[in-house]
Amino acid sequence: GENVEQHPSTLSVQEGDSAVIKCTYSDSASNYFPWYKQELGKRPQLIIDIRSNVGEKKDQRIAVTLNKTAKHFSLHITETQPEDSAVYFCAARAYNAGNMLTFGGGTRLMVKP
Amino acid sequence: GAVVSQHPSWVICKSGTSVKIECRSLDFQATTMFWYRQFPKQSLMLMATSNEGSKATYEQGVEKDKFLINHASLTLSTLTVTSAHPEDSSFYICSARENSGITDTQYFGPGTRLTVL
Repeated sequence: GENVEQHPSTLSVQEGDSAVIKCTYSDSASNYFPWYKQELGKRPQLIIDIRSNVGEKKDQRIAVTLNKTAKHFSLHITETQPEDSAVYFCAARAYNAGNMLTFGGGTRLMVKP
Repeated sequence: GAVVSQHPSWVICKSGTSVKIECRSLDFQATTMFWYRQFPKQSLMLMATSNEGSKATYEQGVEKDKFLINHASLTLSTLTVTSAHPEDSSFYICSARENSGITDTQYFGPGTRLTVL
C-alpha cells in the first residue's frame, strides 16, 4: 500500500520568513495530493491540493510543487504570519486505492512574531 | 468548501457502554465517508471507509464488531463504539468525499472527543 513520509516533524520560523514542508510517497499510482491545516482541537482544513497532471499550484501565499519522477511534493508558505501556526498534513491518494487518503505524520509549524 | 458536521462534539461515558457518533454532509451527497482516529500529537489513522448502501471496509487491526459503521443515506454515516473501554478514548474525525464530476475532494467534520471513564 501507499506510504507517505513527511518532514520535518516540527518547524519554527520567524514571522515573514518562508516555510517549506516536504513529503514523499511510495505508490506511483497516486495522482492526488492534498494538504490540510489543523489547529489545536479542530478539524483538518483543506488548504491546497494538486493533481498529477500539473507540477505546481499557487494560491496567494501558499504553493505546492510535485515531482512525480522523484515521488515527492512540497508545501511552500511565504511571508508567514503567526496565524499560520498549526499542524500541517500532506496526503496522497491513488486512483486504484478506493479513494482512500494516506496521510503523512504531520508537521507542527510555529511562526514566531 | 463543502460542510461536514459531526455530533456530538464531545462525549464522556462509562466503561462498557456504547456511544454513537454521527457524521453528516450538509450541502452535498457523499457516497463515501471515512472514519479516522487521532491520538494527541499524532497523525490521522484511517479506521474504515463507509460506503452508502453497503458494508464498510475496515483497515487492518480495526475490529469491525467493536466499531460499527452504518452509512444509511447519502448524507449520513454513523460510528458506534460498542462496549467502550478507556483505551478507546480518542479524537474521532469523519470525512466525506465530494465527487461532483468537477471536484473530488475530502472534507472533514469537526471531530468528536470521546472519553471513557
